[in-house]
Amino acid sequence: DAGITQSPRHKVTETGTPVTLRCHQTENHRYMYWYRQDPGHGLRLIHYSYGVKDTDKGEVSDGYSVSRSKTEDFLLTLESATSSQTSVYFCAISDFGRGENRSGNTIYFGEGSWLTVV
Amino acid sequence: SQQGEEDPQALSIQEGENATMNCSYKTSINNLQWYRQNSGRGLVHLILIRSNEREKHSGRLRVTLDTSKKSSSLLITASRAADTASYFCATRSNDYKLSFGAGTTVTVRA
Repeated sequence: DAGITQSPRHKVTETGTPVTLRCHQTENHRYMYWYRQDPGHGLRLIHYSYGVKDTDKGEVSDGYSVSRSKTEDFLLTLESATSSQTSVYFCAISDFGRGENRSGNTIYFGEGSWLTVV
Repeated sequence: SQQGEEDPQALSIQEGENATMNCSYKTSINNLQWYRQNSGRGLVHLILIRSNEREKHSGRLRVTLDTSKKSSSLLITASRAADTASYFCATRSNDYKLSFGAGTTVTVRA
């Protein structure tokens, strides 16, 4: 398994509170991603990072912010949690661009963080 | 919006049978990948096919890609109970992101 650790793995929080999910990798991969997974929607990209302090929005970024101060850590913050943010959150890493064939690299996923907003 | 969409949404087969699922996508791609997700776990990469390839094999997996129809299929031959999982296609265009479909849930009955 790729060295990806998500924390916390399970959390219940109240509406309106801030929540931070952490993703830690030991692979020294350049790219890191946060996805959310909901029934009927598959995985949707929230934010991603292409280097330290370099981040960009995905397709469902409203209500979320991210930070990457070190290669190994990518934090996802729900600024003021809402019930619609109840979901499973997956961190992923990749190393696109390294090696002989840029187009051949894949994404490795963490085990997920189950967040319930009540 | 999602790039890939899998069909069918769910599939139930007998052990030993083949399972086929399809993926359609909307825009041009660099490559297409298939992932598996066991219940309560993260996604695991299965196979990648590049836009200039038409077919690829890996063990009991066979993937085809038709870029003219913007579609791909994943065939799992001689299915086993351990193949019970959700399967997702993901497409990569000329950037560093993968776009996933909603997945096909496969149940293999003993």
